[in-house]
Amino acid sequence: AQSVTQLGSHVSVSEGALVLLRCNYSSSVPPYLFWYVQYPNQGLQLLLKYTSAATLVKGINGFEAEFKKSETSFHLTKPSAHMSDAAEYFCAVSGIDRLTFGKGTHLIIQP
Amino acid sequence: DAGVTQSPTHLIKTRGQQVTLRCSPKSGHDTVSWYQQALGQGPQFIFQYYEEEERQRGNFPDRFSGHQFPNYSSELNVNALLLGDSALYLCASSPTGIHSYNEQFFGPGTRLTVL
Repeated sequence: AQSVTQLGSHVSVSEGALVLLRCNYSSSVPPYLFWYVQYPNQGLQLLLKYTSAATLVKGINGFEAEFKKSETSFHLTKPSAHMSDAAEYFCAVSGIDRLTFGKGTHLIIQP
Repeated sequence: DAGVTQSPTHLIKTRGQQVTLRCSPKSGHDTVSWYQQALGQGPQFIFQYYEEEERQRGNFPDRFSGHQFPNYSSELNVNALLLGDSALYLCASSPTGIHSYNEQFFGPGTRLTVL
């Protein structure tokens, strides 16, 4: 069985500051991990994915995430926040046939 | 490429009614999954269809059923609606074969409100 825990339901950062969204996973098999972003009234868009090729994964819009097996973590970062980054972010772990999502982190960007 | 499309975008029903939601997968994709996203929660897996059959099912009652057509489009049916069924219903498609690393492409969702 797989599960995901996202630490912090809301994260607020200033524009231009570092963004750090935390995700810890549990998986009985080597995991495939994903970060999705959801803008208001829209579906989910894939930011990046880890599929065991490289531990540091670069995604769209300047986001990246690092897979740390020893910490069972897959935290999402962006060096400099932009107002357009305000959205809901979901971490997910893949099973054979489904994605298991965390509860999400709402990212707020302060001007 | 239109991506994953869903219809309708919004729907209002009353308790006890039945509803059908529709999904067309991304071109070239033959696997369709359905998720329920309650307000303030992450999406939860309902079931997945491949080759017109339900392959796997999440922890949802039999009131939730589905179908996949030969053109890979899919329907989600919910009978005897409850207030708790109010949610955003997301359809996701993925390409041939069931590989856990395959990215699932999501549609915009159908917002169901049960009164």
